[in-house]
Parts: sequence; structure tokens; C-alpha cells
Amino acid sequence: GAGVSQSPSNKVTEKGKDVELRCDPISGHTALYWYRQSLGQGLEFLIYFQGNSAPDKSGLPSDRFSAERTGGSVSTLTIQRTQQEDSAVYLCASSAGDSSYNEQFFGPGTRLTVL
Amino acid sequence: DQQVKQNSPSLSVQEGRISILNCDYTNSMFDYFLWYKKYPAEGPTFLISISSIKDKNEDGRFTVFLNKSAKHLSLHIVPSQPGDSAVYFCAASGRGRRALTFGSGTRLQVQP
Repeated sequence: GAGVSQSPSNKVTEKGKDVELRCDPISGHTALYWYRQSLGQGLEFLIYFQGNSAPDKSGLPSDRFSAERTGGSVSTLTIQRTQQEDSAVYLCASSAGDSSYNEQFFGPGTRLTVL
Repeated sequence: DQQVKQNSPSLSVQEGRISILNCDYTNSMFDYFLWYKKYPAEGPTFLISISSIKDKNEDGRFTVFLNKSAKHLSLHIVPSQPGDSAVYFCAASGRGRRALTFGSGTRLQVQP
């Protein structure tokens, strides 16, 4: 079956522009996570959606970052007024539930470069 | 404040030998630990996990050991194969937060 997909795979933008990154989770997965990996770093949690519950936004680094999940499926991460430090690989993951024991399946990521 | 630490950025071993990757954590609330493997230009893939109620979990060539008193876990790969060459991330989750906290990764290179 289809895994987690993300688009675009690469995005180059100029400082100050807004970008939207898309994630299509595995069908039926109720939990969706966004992480980012900066150069030489581990994955950093950004935001988490579980069903109809309010999202956990505790990892968002600034108010320039926002995300939504429409219809409990596709999610969009929006970065407004991008800065060079936003350059990273943005990874989306989904899982069948929100238990620790529910494996998180990752997409291939979107590599964002802010010039 | 890094709650999950992988202090070795890289490791090189010979094919057929044992690979040991280490991970330390500081948050006592973590109760589930995972290892993920990542190839270039791909997302991480789940490898093996362990609950805090256990001290060992084995799956084929992969074994994870957990030492709760030392807040330390390790991944053993025996025997190592060239296809195991990848970046390995240690991750943890805990009560009240299901998002994973990751270490910075260890790049394993298995030499033929």
C-alpha cells in the first residue's frame, strides 16, 4: 500500500517569502506529526495532530509556523516570511493511533532551502 | 537541552563484526525507546523498539538493550552487513507526549 507522501520534494525560496509544504498520510492513520531536520542535527518535533483533538503545537519554533489538517487526512505546514535558519528537511509521519506503541511511518521529506 | 544524546557521530566496522550504537537520555518520563534507520533522501524507517519495562529486545540481527538506572540504551547489530550502512537515530517518547524526541544520529559504515 501507499506510504506517507510529501510534496514538493525540494523547495528553494527567497528570504521573506511564504511556503506551503504538503503531507499525505497513510490512509486511515489518525495521528500525524511534523518534524524537521536541520543540517547535522536530529529530528526536531514541530506539531502533532490526533483525530479531532486540538493539535499539540508545542514544537513550533515561532509564530511564522502554522499547520492544519483538513478532514483528518492531508496536512499543510505553512512557513510565513521564511528566514535562512528555516532551511531544513521537513518530515511528516503518521501512525495508526497515538499510543507510544503505534509505529510512526515517515515520508521522504521536503528539503527547504531559503536563500 | 538535548534530552536524547548520541555522542558518536560516526562508526565504522568490518562486515561480519558487531556494530554497537549508543544512546543516552536525561528525561525520566520517557517510557518507550526506538531506533530508526535512515538512508539518504529517504525518511527514517522504524527498526526496533523497547518498552521501559524490559531491558532487552531482539529481532533477528538487531538487539536493543536498555539500562534504566544509567539512562542508556544501545543497539547491537550482529553480524553487520554493508546494507546496514545508514544513519541510525535513537528516539524516545513518554507519558503525555507521543511525539518522538530524537538524538542527532550516528552514521554507520560497514566495510566489505
